[in-house]
Amino acid sequence: DSGVTQTPKHLITATGQRVTLRCSPRSGDLSVYWYQQSLDQGLQFLIQYYNGEERAKGNILERFSAQQFPDLHSELNLSSLELGDSALYFCASSVGTGNYEQYFGPGTRLTVT
Amino acid sequence: GQNIDQPTEMTATEGAIVQINCTYQTSGFNGLFWYQQHAGEAPTFLSYNVLDGLEEKGRFSSFLSRSKGYSYLLLKELQMKDSASYLCAGVITGGGNKLTFGTGTQLKVEL
Repeated sequence: DSGVTQTPKHLITATGQRVTLRCSPRSGDLSVYWYQQSLDQGLQFLIQYYNGEERAKGNILERFSAQQFPDLHSELNLSSLELGDSALYFCASSVGTGNYEQYFGPGTRLTVT
Repeated sequence: GQNIDQPTEMTATEGAIVQINCTYQTSGFNGLFWYQQHAGEAPTFLSYNVLDGLEEKGRFSSFLSRSKGYSYLLLKELQMKDSASYLCAGVITGGGNKLTFGTGTQLKVEL
């Protein structure tokens, strides 16, 4: 158990819908990262927040957005869902924003039908 | 961009040693991580190299050559539970701790 929690574990929804994925980092960690993992793409970095502020951005679609709240939990919002958005979404956290080990949560498996 | 290349699959025998290679483009590089991921589970941290040389951690060791853009993960005394995907990830400089992952090497350990 990494100490990072993600909810829900599984999510099944239809195309065009919007969903919110939630992540709570390890106690004491200020950085939160979101990743998408699909079978054909591997693990892709989406976005990083550090202490409430966006810190780094990867290959995140405009239909996706995220935020980190004052209590340091984070939410990833996915809208206008497409079949290709079906993937495992991982959240990770680290103590700082340097080259620190990232601890991954168990992931949310999103299926878009 | 930061391309991370590693073999797709490898097979090895229980008790043996296996070396998983990773190459990357050196531009903007600032450290390299190795993660282990069992199917359907979260990646777990194995090692981190920022300077050239070998880092040893029990049965697992990782090596880095920054000038060559090359790293490897060495697994000794292989066990069946080592069957997993091994992900090489490079750190990109320029704000935050942005990791670029390779597609992973699926290791199968056989009797």
